[in-house]
Amino acid sequence: AQSVAQPEDQVKVAEGNPLTVKCTYSVSGNPYLFWYVQYPNRGLQFLLKYITGDNLVKGSYGFEAEFNKSQTSFHLKKPSALVSDSALYFCAVRENQAGTALIFGKGTTLSVSS
Amino acid sequence: GAVVSQHPSRVICKSGTSVKIECRSLDFQATTMFWYRQFPKQSLMLMATSNEGSKATYEQGVEKDKFLINHASLTLSTLTVTSAHPEDSSFYICSAPEGLAGSYEQYFGPGTRLTVT
Repeated sequence: AQSVAQPEDQVKVAEGNPLTVKCTYSVSGNPYLFWYVQYPNRGLQFLLKYITGDNLVKGSYGFEAEFNKSQTSFHLKKPSALVSDSALYFCAVRENQAGTALIFGKGTTLSVSS
Repeated sequence: GAVVSQHPSRVICKSGTSVKIECRSLDFQATTMFWYRQFPKQSLMLMATSNEGSKATYEQGVEKDKFLINHASLTLSTLTVTSAHPEDSSFYICSAPEGLAGSYEQYFGPGTRLTVT
């Protein structure tokens, strides 16, 4: 069975500092990995995904994530955080099969202080 | 990218009544759609997979008779919460995959906030 772990309920950083939001996964076969962001009372916004290819994936709003197969991790990073990055972040995984749904981690609240 | 819409965006209903939520893929066809439920400040939990032309597949613990799913066409899936109770109050989000089998992208609707009084 697929699963995703986001070990931190909350991450706090100061504006301008680098940020990391952690994610580890478990899936049989090759994983498809995703990061989404959710602002209060809003739907999900896609940030980036890893399907295959380069382990470092660049996405929207300056975010990037590194796929590490040996550590089964897909941590989200940004070199310089903005206050507007404050939101709820979800890591998700699915198997490489047609008709399978994304399974989400519990989410990590990112708080960026000015 | 592809667009998925949901209607209504917000609904308030009385306990015991039924509520229907629509999920539409606007510019692509979706033989499969997914329904998620999200409680405040919590993760999205997969409720069921909606399949066009066949019965939905429900996740363990989700009551089939309470959450009726109908995939009426290649662009429309509906979720009906029957005999709603306050504990059914939640944020319901649908999604639809678009693209080649295996490598498809999953597009999410904006969600429906259900409040049962």
